[in-house]
Amino acid sequence: NAGVTQTPKFRILKIGQSMTLQCTQDMNHNYMYWYRQDPGMGLKLIYYSVGAGITDKGEVPNGYNVSRSTTEDFPLRLELAAPSQTSVYFCASTATGYSNQPQHFGDGTRLSIL
Amino acid sequence: KQEVTQIPAALSVPEGENLVLNCSFTDSAIYNLQWFRQDPGKGLTSLLLIQSSQREQTSGRLNASLDKSSGRSTLYIAASQPGDSATYLCAVIPEGGSEKLVFGKGTKLTVNP
Repeated sequence: NAGVTQTPKFRILKIGQSMTLQCTQDMNHNYMYWYRQDPGMGLKLIYYSVGAGITDKGEVPNGYNVSRSTTEDFPLRLELAAPSQTSVYFCASTATGYSNQPQHFGDGTRLSIL
Repeated sequence: KQEVTQIPAALSVPEGENLVLNCSFTDSAIYNLQWFRQDPGKGLTSLLLIQSSQREQTSGRLNASLDKSSGRSTLYIAASQPGDSATYLCAVIPEGGSEKLVFGKGTKLTVNP
């Protein structure tokens, strides 16, 4: 059972570089989320999507972009990497709104920007 | 704005002890509350989900309670084992929020053999 798959697992970027964090789920979930987790902190929502073609900002969206062209995929793009974006990024999904089903998380992408 | 607080930030106990982790939230208008486990270098695993109309949920040695009116939840772990060592995160979904979880910072639990 694949669940939520994130790639890459680790990445080091230089300041100003760009990259895309990939997230795919095989559970046919409509809702998908991107969170970041800084050391000793809880997770903060970056962007979310309630279905293909629909995205919206979360609590900390600055410096990031997303797209949702298919139900399965929800990539997160960093256009101009900054040291403040060093973090662990988690993708999650759930079936539908207010389903009382838990969110399923990927194993994360550990990103360092130097 | 909903805020979630977890106390203590870290806890160390001997194997076999029963323990309680605490979670509080500032706005009682929640849809549900969820407890997650996070192992080092891994993602989050859902442990228990309590709907706003429920008072508690149980799974094996875990029992989570919810007092929505006072903005509190507890996670009770019975007969703790070294394998329970992990960070435990509490999160709520506010009403009307597209299932957007608001997380606490977590409690890091160490169970010593």
